[in-house]
Amino acid sequence: GQQVMQIPQYQHVQEGEDFTTYCNSSTTLSNIQWYKQRPGGHPVFLIQLVKSGEVKKQKRLTFQFGEAKKNSSLHITATQTTDVGTYFCAVPNFGNEKLTFGTGTRLTIIP
Amino acid sequence: DAGITQSPRHKVTETGTPVTLRCHQTENHRYMYWYRQDPGHGLRLIHYSYGVKDTDKGEVSDGYSVSRSKTEDFLLTLESATSSQTSVYFCAISEGLAGVQYFGPGTRLTVT
Repeated sequence: GQQVMQIPQYQHVQEGEDFTTYCNSSTTLSNIQWYKQRPGGHPVFLIQLVKSGEVKKQKRLTFQFGEAKKNSSLHITATQTTDVGTYFCAVPNFGNEKLTFGTGTRLTIIP
Repeated sequence: DAGITQSPRHKVTETGTPVTLRCHQTENHRYMYWYRQDPGHGLRLIHYSYGVKDTDKGEVSDGYSVSRSKTEDFLLTLESATSSQTSVYFCAISEGLAGVQYFGPGTRLTVT
């Protein structure tokens, strides 16, 4: 199936600092989705990127799709305690289109 | 949140016993999925369905079976539970195979 690497696995930041997680694929992607899972909760869809070089913003969150459509990033500016959780990317498998989820980046905030 | 429920939400069972988890949706989405989530492994697809009585295996299907007799219901069965199947199980739905997925609240299963 599709291989997607997500880094880092864990990130601890002081409240107010920025945070970035990256998703990397060895093959060109048709699109990429991002999800957030709060502790004890279920994954919730955040956004989908489709176009090469696409940048989308949701308040303090900035999502970027690489020019070659092989990587993506999620950047959070000035983290808040509400940002705590695990962030997953998800990409369609080449051929069968089933989604493969990255292993996630767990973000913890130090108040 | 999309209309997805899972039952039970928590279950403790003994090794060797059969277990059935239920996912119910009110969104009339075509695709339904069962994932398991374990530390360090993210979300791994067990089985999915692309219509009534149409199902296919995911990457970790051994030891699991599924059934979908109605659009709204997708059942996951562990025929003989093992300790390695202790996990959190999520159901998800989507309109298209590579479309946005909406997840249920999860079932925490412990096999002793």
